[in-house]
Amino acid sequence: DIQLTQSPSFLSAFVGDGVSITCRASQGISSNLAWYQQKPGKAPKLLIHAASTLQGGVPSRFSGSGSGTEFTLTISSLQPEDFATYYCQQSYNYPITFGQGTRLEIK
Amino acid sequence: DVQLVESGGGLVQPGGSLRLSCAASGFTFSDHYMDWVRQAPGKGLDWVGRSRDKANSYTIEYAASVKGRFTISRDDSKNSLYLQMNSLKTEDTAVYYCAGLVSSSFEDYWGQGTLVIVSS
Repeated sequence: DIQLTQSPSFLSAFVGDGVSITCRASQGISSNLAWYQQKPGKAPKLLIHAASTLQGGVPSRFSGSGSGTEFTLTISSLQPEDFATYYCQQSYNYPITFGQGTRLEIK
Repeated sequence: DVQLVESGGGLVQPGGSLRLSCAASGFTFSDHYMDWVRQAPGKGLDWVGRSRDKANSYTIEYAASVKGRFTISRDDSKNSLYLQMNSLKTEDTAVYYCAGLVSSSFEDYWGQGTLVIVSS
């Protein structure tokens, strides 16, 4: 199985800050990676797919980059509604796997 | 609008069975892959399995942790996805989400989830 390791697991930042979350795959997955945002009690929301393609309706302050084994989700200027947990997911092969999550909290 | 609505969750004893349903609307159900994803209380996301679309003969993939115990099926005439869960274990306790790959090769539409509690 492909392991996805996110770092950091916890992040604290101010509104207006820029932050980055890294997702490392245990083997190359090309660009078969997505990022999700999840708020408490809610279903995950797809933000980015194919490593860098912004899902429709997602604000442009979110961006994704990377390929192979290292990927990054960047939020350029944090808004209050961005404080949530973020997960990466690979669909390169089965079983589909998720990273352990990064909890982003307001400072 | 695309909508996915899960039902069927509840409390079940270890070793018991439960069947979850996911009613889909707003898209051509038979043309899309559908997944089940679960989330144990306070934990991360855990992929359960996938039903491919009609064009791919509705073939199924499962996570190793559920293979042989869970069965995914679909009824395109009812626009519904199912998850039959047998031999349930306490570690199967989770919110179960139905998710559709509608306009992406990733899960871009999700239901609200249904809670399954396996406990004696």
